[in-house]
Amino acid sequence: QQPVQSPQAVILREGEDAVINCSSSKALYSVHWYRQKHGEAPVFLMILLKGGEQKGHDKISASFNEKKQQSSLYLTASQLSYSGTYFCGTETDYGQNFVFGPGTRLSVLP
Amino acid sequence: NAGVMQNPRHLVRRRGQEARLRCSPMKGHSHVYWYRQLPEEGLKFMVYLQKENIIDESGMPKERFSAEFPKEGPSILRIQQVVRGDSAAYFCASSPLNPKGSGANVLTFGAGSRLTVL
Repeated sequence: QQPVQSPQAVILREGEDAVINCSSSKALYSVHWYRQKHGEAPVFLMILLKGGEQKGHDKISASFNEKKQQSSLYLTASQLSYSGTYFCGTETDYGQNFVFGPGTRLSVLP
Repeated sequence: NAGVMQNPRHLVRRRGQEARLRCSPMKGHSHVYWYRQLPEEGLKFMVYLQKENIIDESGMPKERFSAEFPKEGPSILRIQQVVRGDSAAYFCASSPLNPKGSGANVLTFGAGSRLTVL
């Protein structure tokens, strides 16, 4: 079953922060975050395994609440290059198929 | 490391023809996933394969669509008797499927094959 993402779209000015949420009705083994720019392939950002860890690199971080089956992606001090569609992908157990959410379109304006 | 290679990048077919999309996974990757993406929409799971075995095809339409990943050669997604509604971008991704506990199972995507049905 496809995870749910919110918001569907968000518009920011450079330097502003954003949070993108992903939730599933199923127990999850892992949550993955990808970013896709128009006409290009999705690019891996980070993975979170069950255990409630939080990860990040540069100004993008994410958390995973295993009990609620929810993950959030945090983008701080957004840059123009952050524009694109963000997908969360979920895995219910190791080695199972990945199902992606419908995506959140992020637009960062100068 | 050439990454995940998909071809053709663009394919035009007339209604009723067959489309064959090929995907060569990254070196060392044993698992392949196919996704379909309509314009301005998300990635819809189609099928998950390893060499000579279909692991999960729950997202594949029951008719006209088939996929294989032979012992030698690329994975192939085949669409018979294409219709206009098959027009989409088809993405392939591969993963190494490391032993559980030894690392994360990350997907690497190819650039996609864009099918247009006239």
